[in-house]
Amino acid sequence: DAGVIQSPRHEVTEMGQEVTLRCKPISGHDYLFWYRQTMMRGLELLIYFNNNVPIDDSGMPEDRFSAKMPNASFSTLKIQPSEPRDSAVYFCASSSQGLGSYNEQFFGPGTRLTVL
Amino acid sequence: RKEVEQDPGPFNVPEGATVAFNCTYSNSASQSFFWYRQDCRKEPKLLMSVYSSGNEDGRFTAQLNRASQYISLLIRDSKLSDSATYLCVVNTNAGKSTFGDGTTLTVKP
Repeated sequence: DAGVIQSPRHEVTEMGQEVTLRCKPISGHDYLFWYRQTMMRGLELLIYFNNNVPIDDSGMPEDRFSAKMPNASFSTLKIQPSEPRDSAVYFCASSSQGLGSYNEQFFGPGTRLTVL
Repeated sequence: RKEVEQDPGPFNVPEGATVAFNCTYSNSASQSFFWYRQDCRKEPKLLMSVYSSGNEDGRFTAQLNRASQYISLLIRDSKLSDSATYLCVVNTNAGKSTFGDGTTLTVKP
C-alpha cells in the first residue's frame, strides 16, 4: 500500500488566494482526519470524517476553511481567502475503526503551506 | 487547561541514559492511548499503544494509570536515533484523537 498520499507537498501562495490541499487515505480506512501543525500551537485536529461524513469540525478555525470528502478515496481542505497566519504544515491521516478504539492513525507526509 | 498535557522538555540526555516522559489527560471517558514519534520535518508515526496492564517493546515501556489519568513512556539505554519529539495521544470511543504538544528528546554522544 502506498500509504496516505497528500498533494501538493509544498505550497507557496499570496495572501487572499485560494488554497486547496488534497488527500487520498489508505484504502479500506473509514476515518479521515485533517490536522494543522505549527510551532506555537502544536498539532491541532481541524476536522474528521467517518465513512465520508464530517463528524466533528469544531477545530476548523473559521469560515475561510472548508473540507469535503466526496468519496472514500479523496478529501480536500480548502482555504479561501488565505492569510499569512494560515502558514503551517497540514497533515491528513486515516484509520480503521475495527473492534474497540485501539486504532493507529497513519499520517501522510504533510503539505507545507506558506502564505506571503 | 489542555485536554492532553506533556512536559515539553527539551530533554537532553547522554547515550545509554534512561529517560521518562509523562502525560496527563482530562477526559475520563478516554478509551485508548498511544505514544507517537515525530522526527524533524516528518509526519508522526505510531511508536506504541498503551494498555492498562502496561506494555513493553524492546527498550520502550509504556504505562497507563486510569485512576490518575496519567500515561508514561520509559526509554532505556537511549540511542542517538531516539532523538525526536514524542507525542502522547488520547482517543475517545468516537474515534477522535487528541494529541499532546510533544516532548522533545535529544540524545547526545
